[in-house]
Amino acid sequence: DAGVTQSPTHLIKTRGQQVTLRCSPKSGHDTVSWYQQALGQGPQFIFQYYEEEERQRGNFPDRFSGHQFPNYSSELNVNALLLGDSALYLCASSFGLAGAYEQFFGPGTRLTVL
Amino acid sequence: DAKTTQPNSMESNEEEPVHLPCNHSTISGTDYIHWYRQLPSQGPEYVIHGLTSNVNNRMASLAIAEDRKSSTLILHRATLRDAAVYYCIPQIKGANNLFFGTGTRLTVIP
Repeated sequence: DAGVTQSPTHLIKTRGQQVTLRCSPKSGHDTVSWYQQALGQGPQFIFQYYEEEERQRGNFPDRFSGHQFPNYSSELNVNALLLGDSALYLCASSFGLAGAYEQFFGPGTRLTVL
Repeated sequence: DAKTTQPNSMESNEEEPVHLPCNHSTISGTDYIHWYRQLPSQGPEYVIHGLTSNVNNRMASLAIAEDRKSSTLILHRATLRDAAVYYCIPQIKGANNLFFGTGTRLTVIP
């Protein structure tokens, strides 16, 4: 049983560019959440998708957007990249909206913005 | 959201018990207390959660104070593989997003 998978593992972009990160949830899960983890910090919640809709959102600008597909996989898009967007981006999956007490995280995508 | 306070770092000898404390004095009555850990170069992984009473699973035990203002994650015998950053996270019942702090970095000494 494959866990949460993310692609790519590493990515280098320049300021102003756009990036798309991808996530496949654990088998049987239908909810995907995205987190940003800066170096030395804990992960920060970006947003969550369920039934192909954004259900909850953290304190991130509109440059951060996402999508969930009918097969529950998800994409995170970041436009107009800033140096401060350099971080590890983590995807987590769970089942259902109510009380996802155990979220399963992928290994993350390391984004470097030059 | 409830705020948490954890020590920045702790050390333990291998095969010794480890008690990782967390203060969450502003927790509400319906907030669950979750613990996750993040091994080097990996995403976080769920460890344990509880509401009012002590909880045990194959990974750890969670001791929750009677007033729920603090909790302690107990690793009964630390192994080198337990070296990680441990996060204590109060979670509002019904909410799925997790609010991570900076956690406690546990070093296990062989």
